[in-house]
Amino acid sequence: AQSVTQLGSHVSVSEGALVLLRCNYSSSVPPYLFWYVQYPNQGLQLLLKYTSAATLVKGINGFEAEFKKSETSFHLTKPSAHMSDAAEYFCAVSEIGGNQFYFGTGTSLTVIP
Amino acid sequence: GAVVSQHPSWVICKSGTSVKIECRSLDFQATTMFWYRQFPKQSLMLMATSNEGSKATYEQGVEKDKFLINHASLTLSTLTVTSAHPEDSSFYICSASPGLTDTQYFGPGTRLTVL
Repeated sequence: AQSVTQLGSHVSVSEGALVLLRCNYSSSVPPYLFWYVQYPNQGLQLLLKYTSAATLVKGINGFEAEFKKSETSFHLTKPSAHMSDAAEYFCAVSEIGGNQFYFGTGTSLTVIP
Repeated sequence: GAVVSQHPSWVICKSGTSVKIECRSLDFQATTMFWYRQFPKQSLMLMATSNEGSKATYEQGVEKDKFLINHASLTLSTLTVTSAHPEDSSFYICSASPGLTDTQYFGPGTRLTVL
């Protein structure tokens, strides 16, 4: 089974600073990779996904993520944090040919004014 | 596009009663729907996977007689928590996928409080 590791359960950045949220997966075969954002008391909203096309994926709200096979990573970045980015972020992996998602434990992003 | 709704968004019930939660894909047909449970400050725990017209597949440790799932159509799945107890209080989130290996689109969640 897949496993997903999100390093750092809590990340704090200043408004306007770079956001970097880390995600590593365990599969030797590149899977499908996703980043979701969850605001308090809400469901998950898809930010972006990688499905074996371009390794640099651009998503909504200025976020992007780069798939690096050699590092089995799919880190999420945003050049300049905004107060509205404060939320919980989940990385997820789906095996090719399977329909189950494996979620990371989540990273809580705090943006300091 | 790809909107998933859940109803109700919040429900409070007495211990011993049953509660039904609906999950609908509003603008696409969902081959597969998933039900998750989320505890405060934690990740999502997959409870079961359901395909339209067939029995749900439950994850290990999830009581299928307590959490009844019905995927009656390509746009509707329901989760019924039977004989609810306070320990069933949680945030329940459904997701829907239009196809195998495709993206999961999540509903807004239902907060269940059992008194």
